[in-house]
Amino acid sequence: GAVVSQHPSRVICKSGTSVKIECRSLDFQATTMFWYRQFPKQSLMLMATSNEGSKATYEQGVEKDKFLINHASLTLSTLTVTSAHPEDSSFYICSARAPLAGGPATDTQYFGPGTRLTVL
Amino acid sequence: KQEVTQIPAALSVPEGENLVLNCSFTDSAIYNLQWFRQDPGKGLTSLLLIQSSQREQTSGRLNASLDKSSGRSTLYIAASQPGDSATYLCAVRSGYSTLTFGKGTMLLVSP
Repeated sequence: GAVVSQHPSRVICKSGTSVKIECRSLDFQATTMFWYRQFPKQSLMLMATSNEGSKATYEQGVEKDKFLINHASLTLSTLTVTSAHPEDSSFYICSARAPLAGGPATDTQYFGPGTRLTVL
Repeated sequence: KQEVTQIPAALSVPEGENLVLNCSFTDSAIYNLQWFRQDPGKGLTSLLLIQSSQREQTSGRLNASLDKSSGRSTLYIAASQPGDSATYLCAVRSGYSTLTFGKGTMLLVSP
């Protein structure tokens, strides 16, 4: 099956610093990538949707100036948490859509292994 | 707004039992429904995808059913094993870019 990687898997940073998380689709081209965050024992919450070569679409309540998303190529999207604060500590998961001929009913997303961010 | 609910929130069973996880959603206008597995501190692994026109999908000991009109899906796990211990997430696609997740069912299978 399709593989999505994330780097780093774990990061600890000081409050006020910026952190960049990379998401790569290893064996397919992903025109659309998604970024989620997950709090302990909670569901995944979509933060933003990024399409290659265009600006990301952010969900309501997500600060686009704080969570910078770049989708420069069909296999790479990055999420930069700027001026991180302790409340940004969370599990961030990216996902990539694999284009299928069957349309949205067959549409599936492949998920990365996640990045645990801890802001001190 | 689509809402997905999973019951139970947690389940503990002895090895070998057959079990059923439930998922319900409020808006039946969906493209598909997926069941995922998430191990602690890890990402998601897709288990089964059921298209809106389908009633069920099977993979090994897993069987997922979909009743779109009533907004329900079940994941049946046969002959459970300790390695099945994980959180199981249900997600529905009701838009091109919209995948809505439930909170998951945390399953513990004891030897």
